[in-house]
Amino acid sequence: EVQLVESGGGLVQPGGSLRLSCAASGFTFGPYAMSWVRQAPGKGLEWISSISAGGAEAYFADSVKGRFTISRDDSKNTLYLQMNSLRAADTAIYYCAKWMDGGALDYWGQGTLVTVSS
Amino acid sequence: DIQMTQSPSSLSASVGDSVTIACRASQSISNYLHWYQQKPGKAPNLLIYSASSFNGIPSRFSGSGSGTHFTLTIYSLQPEDFGTYYCQQSYSMPYTFGQGTKLEIK
Repeated sequence: EVQLVESGGGLVQPGGSLRLSCAASGFTFGPYAMSWVRQAPGKGLEWISSISAGGAEAYFADSVKGRFTISRDDSKNTLYLQMNSLRAADTAIYYCAKWMDGGALDYWGQGTLVTVSS
Repeated sequence: DIQMTQSPSSLSASVGDSVTIACRASQSISNYLHWYQQKPGKAPNLLIYSASSFNGIPSRFSGSGSGTHFTLTIYSLQPEDFGTYYCQQSYSMPYTFGQGTKLEIK
């Protein structure tokens, strides 16, 4: 059974940093691109970042470019999202998701809540 | 960026009804269009990928379209079909989502 389990969320002050992790199991992690998608309270889904299989390519939404970095450790079957210079507008549930061929996201974690507030 | 616009934003229907949700892309995205269902407090769930391919879902769900116009049709609505439905394009980065369509079962 495919499982994606996010961790690392919490309360952080504006300007602070957090690193989210997503532990994958139930599938061979290395060959698949992975993504982060967030959802602000009561709002819709926003794709924010993806990383290719192997990690050579990374993509970011303009809203987080220059502040967030994405990485992966295939030896640990883990995806990361380093978030710096956090703003109130970054408050959201952050989901990691597995990217299938064609770009659909076929498996999602349960999400981790990030709250940016003083 | 490619803008995805869903309509309607919300709808209410009865068990047994058929409903259609539309998704329009601001430019052609071929068939790089996917549909998700999200229930309150839960992660989204992929229903249909590449506009019309099923992801292990009941056959009452159907997706169609290509280019800029796409539809998700749910035939014979069931009580468990409530939730919010999102379309998403993966033709080009950023991979944008529609704003969502909230489906309420009467």
